[in-house]
Amino acid sequence: QVTLKESGPALVKPTQTLTLTCTFSGFSLTTNGMRVSWIRQPPGKALEWLARIDWDDDKFYNTSLNTRLTISKDTSKNQVVLTMTNMDPVDTATYYCARIPTGTYFDFWGQGALVTVSS
Amino acid sequence: EIVLTQSPGTLSLSPGERATLSCRASQSVSSSYLAWYQQKPGQAPRLLIYGASSRATGIPDRFSGSGSGTDFTLTISRLEPEDFAVYYCQQYGSSPRTYTFGQGTKVEIK
Repeated sequence: QVTLKESGPALVKPTQTLTLTCTFSGFSLTTNGMRVSWIRQPPGKALEWLARIDWDDDKFYNTSLNTRLTISKDTSKNQVVLTMTNMDPVDTATYYCARIPTGTYFDFWGQGALVTVSS
Repeated sequence: EIVLTQSPGTLSLSPGERATLSCRASQSVSSSYLAWYQQKPGQAPRLLIYGASSRATGIPDRFSGSGSGTDFTLTISRLEPEDFAVYYCQQYGSSPRTYTFGQGTKVEIK
């Protein structure tokens, strides 16, 4: 079955760089048409899409955040990595990774990783 | 960038009642690119509907989606206790490639 799981630090300091890893199973990012995204959700607020990486290594970013985001994949480890630079307290959120089977919606999600930005 | 506005913000209903949730887009959205999710406290969102009206695997048929253009609706025909949650609509934009979520509608027990 398809599973995804996020991992990374629970606490980062302002101005630091956040690195999150999504480890998945049940599908391959070498399969034509497969994609994985990162989405975040501040406490009590709505969802916000961050980035997407495709099977052919195409990458797409939220235009409001793209100068701070980098997404990459390691297909041998079934992992997708997101880095976000210059973290700020407003970036405190639960960060999810999710699979995109056809390009337009997210069918499987990880459990989420809460990241708090505080000095 | 397309903005999705969901209404109402909160819907107070009793089990067994019908729930009608609205998602309005600031510009026309392809029906193929509109999805709905359910989120319960402390959990990740769960895909309910994709392509505006197709139920995801394992989703009960009391959930249905409809709409086109700028107006989309999620209907829960008879609320079960497990349906009280927050619901989000989401659209995919192809140029530029982007994903936008609505602000959510909370369905609470009256």
